[in-house]
Amino acid sequence: GEDVEQSLFLSVREGDSSVINCTYTDSSSTYLYWYKQEPGAGLQLLTYIFSNMDMKQDQRLTVLLNKKDKHLSLRIADTQTGDSAIYFCADHNQAGTALIFGKGTTLSVSS
Amino acid sequence: DAGVIQSPRHEVTEMGQEVTLRCKPISGHNSLFWYRQTMMRGLELLIYFNNNVPIDDSGMPEDRFSAKMPNASFSTLKIQPSEPRDSAVYFCASSLRQGRGSPLHFGNGTRLTVT
Repeated sequence: GEDVEQSLFLSVREGDSSVINCTYTDSSSTYLYWYKQEPGAGLQLLTYIFSNMDMKQDQRLTVLLNKKDKHLSLRIADTQTGDSAIYFCADHNQAGTALIFGKGTTLSVSS
Repeated sequence: DAGVIQSPRHEVTEMGQEVTLRCKPISGHNSLFWYRQTMMRGLELLIYFNNNVPIDDSGMPEDRFSAKMPNASFSTLKIQPSEPRDSAVYFCASSLRQGRGSPLHFGNGTRLTVT
């Protein structure tokens, strides 16, 4: 079945760039998503990318998609302490009817 | 836009008791999803509805779990009887339509503790 894999932890200093990586298995993926979860809250949609794009930029966020390797990354420029959270990569299930999520990457930002 | 509203935010109950979690999706959204989040298993899809009709409940762990969506603005997830291993955060999410390109919008979750 479909699977989404992420590394579990990333620690960076304030002001540095953060890069969170994700791999997926579904070759028919058309949209891929990044969500952010702060403590005690639900998942908040950060951005998404359509499969005909290699890159999408939205302010401090840059999403890179390598369809050949089924690899997705989220780059956060000038990382702030407020960016500390869990970041989830998500892909649709094979039927395209629901989202499946990676286990999440906990980003820790130190000042 | 009020977003997806879940209640209660926290629920503590004893093993064997019935638990009912509630969700109000975003107005105009046609699809509704229930997920469960635990440290061990991450986010698991339990069930989802399209136009109030259950489409896939294969993620519901056992017959003790049931979900309903009596109308477009309300859904419940019920656990009867509850067990300690049901302790988790339960999220409801809605999307404008079913299918690719329609992102999910999540509520703040219900943290369930079964003692």
